[in-house]
Amino acid sequence: NFMLTQTHSVSESPGKTVTISCSGRSGSIASNYVQWYQQRPGSAPTTVIYENNQRPSGVPDRFSGSIDRSSNSASLTISGLKTEDEADYYCQSFDLNNWVFGGGTKLTVL
Amino acid sequence: EVQVVESGGGLVKPGGSLRLSCAASAFTFSSYSVIWVRRFPGKGLEWVSSTSTTGTYKHYADSVKGRFSISRDNAKNSVYLQMDSLRADDTAVYYCARTSGYLTDVWGQGTTVTVS
Repeated sequence: NFMLTQTHSVSESPGKTVTISCSGRSGSIASNYVQWYQQRPGSAPTTVIYENNQRPSGVPDRFSGSIDRSSNSASLTISGLKTEDEADYYCQSFDLNNWVFGGGTKLTVL
Repeated sequence: EVQVVESGGGLVKPGGSLRLSCAASAFTFSSYSVIWVRRFPGKGLEWVSSTSTTGTYKHYADSVKGRFSISRDNAKNSVYLQMDSLRADDTAVYYCARTSGYLTDVWGQGTTVTVS
C-alpha cells in the first residue's frame, strides 16, 4: 500500500522560510496529485495546496508546493513565516480510491 | 455562508453504534463529493470514507470497512456516517468536508466521538 512519511516536527523563526517534506513509500509520489492541509490547535483542517502546487482562494502566496520525482517526495514551502503559521501540516495523496495522509509535521514558529 | 456542520457525536460503549450527520448549506450540495476524516487524540488525520455526488460510489478505509457505512440524501443536503461495532480506537474528532476534484475547500468544525 502506498504510504506518505513526514518529519515529525520542525521549527523556525518568524520571517524565515521553512520546507516540510513528504516522502512516498511503496509507490511513486508522481502517480497522483499531492495536497497539503494545515490544522491549527483546536481548529478544523484547511487546504493550503492542492494538485501539487495550486493555492486555494485566500491562501497567501507565501505557501508553495512542489514535487521531486527523483527523491519521490513532495514539499511544502512557507516563506516569510508568521506566528499564525504555527500548526500541524499534513500531506495527502491517493492509493487507488483511498485517501492517504502523511503522519503530519508540527511546525513551531519561535 | 457556505458551510458544512457535523453532528451526532457523543460517548458510546464499545460495540455500540452512532450515526453522524453532515449538513450542508449555501451551495449546490449535489455537485460535490463528501469525505469524512478523523483526527485521533494527540495524533494525525485519517481518511475514513468518501461518497460521490450521487452516492453511487462509496469508499472506506480498511480500518472501518464492514463497520461504517456512508450515505447521502441530496434532497436534505446531508451526508451520514453510520458507525457500528465501535471500538476504543475509533475515538476521535470526525470532520466532514466537501470536495471537488482534488480540492477540498469547505470543512466542518468536527464532532467528537468517544468510545469508552
